[in-house]
Amino acid sequence: QVQLQQWGAGLLKPSETLSLTCAVYGGSFSGYYWSWVRQTPGKGLEWIGEINHSGTINYNPSLKSRVTISVDTSKNQFSLKVWSVTAADTAVYYCTVTDFFYYTMDVWGQGTTVTVSS
Amino acid sequence: DVVMTQTPLSLSVTPGQSASISCKSSQSLLHSDGKTYFYWYLQKAGQPPQLLIYGISNRFSGVPDRFSGSGSGTDFTLKISRVEAEDVGVYYCMQSIQLPRTFGQGTKLEIK
Repeated sequence: QVQLQQWGAGLLKPSETLSLTCAVYGGSFSGYYWSWVRQTPGKGLEWIGEINHSGTINYNPSLKSRVTISVDTSKNQFSLKVWSVTAADTAVYYCTVTDFFYYTMDVWGQGTTVTVSS
Repeated sequence: DVVMTQTPLSLSVTPGQSASISCKSSQSLLHSDGKTYFYWYLQKAGQPPQLLIYGISNRFSGVPDRFSGSGSGTDFTLKISRVEAEDVGVYYCMQSIQLPRTFGQGTKLEIK
């Protein structure tokens, strides 16, 4: 059974870079969709981006200019960076993995609360 | 972006009674491959969302058969028969026919 464990800085100042990492235990990257989703009280759940089954990285256009998703297969980890954060980036961030073909798996990380405040 | 609109935003149900949640999308979620890219999630307090239903009506592994999904095109419904205390939480619909994947605003289910 795949498990995800995520970590990263929880308190940032405006203009800093948000950096989160998600470690994958009990599985590999092949064939699944590896995503980042964030949740705010105001906007609800927002899909940030993903690494799809073929390794293509897709981003939410609303964030694309400030977001980078990357994968390190040697460490079984994938990461999220959000550049030049503002208070609007304050949210709970989740990493997820889903099998969107056969629906054998849908796993979410525990969530990381990120607060942007001066 | 595809806009997902849920109704109601909250509902209170007596245990043992049924509950229905509606989700409407701003465009059809039926793909040319014949699949409908629509999902229901449940988020319990203090937990991440969990997948309940995929492809309109298919229950994910371990989801009780009290949960059922229906609909087509742009109109979808989640029905919970015989609501139990463990069903409390916020229910979200989601589409993935078009990126970015988008979620409904959530429906909070409470027990009377």
